[in-house]
Amino acid sequence: DTGVSQNPRHKITKRGQNVTFRCDPISEHNRLYWYRQTLGQGPEFLTYFQNEAQLEKSRLLSDRFSAERPKGSFSTLEIQRTEQGDSAMYLCASSSPGGGVTGELFFGEGSRLTVL
Amino acid sequence: SQQGEEDPQALSIQEGENATMNCSYKTSINNLQWYRQNSGRGLVHLILIRSNEREKHSGRLRVTLDTSKKSSSLLITASRAADTASYFCATYDPNSGYALNFGKGTSLLVTP
Repeated sequence: DTGVSQNPRHKITKRGQNVTFRCDPISEHNRLYWYRQTLGQGPEFLTYFQNEAQLEKSRLLSDRFSAERPKGSFSTLEIQRTEQGDSAMYLCASSSPGGGVTGELFFGEGSRLTVL
Repeated sequence: SQQGEEDPQALSIQEGENATMNCSYKTSINNLQWYRQNSGRGLVHLILIRSNEREKHSGRLRVTLDTSKKSSSLLITASRAADTASYFCATYDPNSGYALNFGKGTSLLVTP
C-alpha cells in the first residue's frame, strides 16, 4: 500500500505527558499537511510543509505543538504537556507537486489522541 | 478557519434515493473540493470543481458551483448504504494559499 501512513493510530496519555505522531506521505508528494479534527467538526488546518520547509502554521498551533519534516519525507507532530483539550484525531495529508498548490489532498487514517 | 459551511448538518434517506448537500463559502476561490469521511477514518477526495466550471460529474456524483452565490452542491444519485459517511466541502484560504479549509460537514445516513 503506497498511501499516507500515520502512527500510532491510537494514543492514550495522561495530562502533562508529551506525545509524538509520525506521518509518512506518499513517496513522490512534496507537500504535507497536518490537521486536527474533533468529534462532529471538520478538519482544522494546523501546518503545511513544502519539502522540508514549514511554510505556514495556524494560530491553533500553540507553542506546545511542534512539527518537523527534517528530510522532506516523513513528518512528526509533537505535543508537549498535553491537555484534555488536545484530545482529537490528528490527520496528515499529502499532495503531489503536479497538482499545484491548490490540488487535492490524500489523507492518512489519522492518529486518535485521548488525554486523560 | 472554516470557510465552507455545509447544509444540512445531517441527512437520512433510503437506498435508491438521491442525496443533495449544499456548501456555502465566504471568499473568492480557485477551486472547491468535496471529500468523504467514513466514521473514524481519514478523508477521501471525491471531486474538484474549478472556479470557471459550473457543473462536474463523476460516476453517481454531480457537483455544481455558483460563484455568484458562493455556493456549491453535491448530488449523490441512487444512493447505497455504503454511501453512509460525512461529506465535507473545502476551499483554499485566499490569504495564505496553502491551507485547505473544511466545513463542518453533512452526515449522511443511507438505510437499506
